[in-house]
Amino acid sequence: KNEVEQSPQNLTAQEGEFITINCSYSVGISALHWLQQHPGGGIVSLFMLSSGKKKHGRLIATINIQEKHSSLHITASHPRDSAVYICAVIMDSSYKLIFGSGTRLLVRP
Amino acid sequence: EPEVTQTPSHQVTQMGQEVILRCVPISNHLYFYWYRQILGQKVEFLVSFYNNEISEKSEIFDDQFSVERPDGSNFTLKIRSTKLEDSAMYFCASRGLPPYNEQFFGPGTRLTVL
Repeated sequence: KNEVEQSPQNLTAQEGEFITINCSYSVGISALHWLQQHPGGGIVSLFMLSSGKKKHGRLIATINIQEKHSSLHITASHPRDSAVYICAVIMDSSYKLIFGSGTRLLVRP
Repeated sequence: EPEVTQTPSHQVTQMGQEVILRCVPISNHLYFYWYRQILGQKVEFLVSFYNNEISEKSEIFDDQFSVERPDGSNFTLKIRSTKLEDSAMYFCASRGLPPYNEQFFGPGTRLTVL
């Protein structure tokens, strides 16, 4: 059983659309990362959050610890947002990251 | 802005050869990690390192793997005798002391074993 599940696996949107990517996890965590991976392979941390909501530009991340669920929202999506978005949880008992399988987002102009 | 760097960006090697992947973590960070991503799969934890010793390792991190912080700035991952299935992208990450738990990733080394 996967400890971190993401949905959808693939998402195609038109430029300007509001996008939501979901992450559910089954283990105790101290925090959760949302990461972005571009086709070249590099990983960039977008957010780390342990409660509530964070906003950075057009990106918003929320987490509900009781429901073990987090969402990443992109407002006014743009083709440059096309990438793989990965949810990764920081285990309660250690600080290693457990990764979801990622959501491949394509934003068409 | 400080960043994690990794060298080389791409390494091609023959099966059975030893490889060393190098990472320079952010200078005031004390916790270091190696992760790998086989093409088309999710990123997997390999090992964490703190205070000059391994704090945790995964089942993947067998006797063929070792890590070292040889000189106070570099953090290396050695694979003693590479196998075809070691072909993957290897990411190094580092973080500071709690409560600064955010991990910062290097750009990765793509290892191809022929």
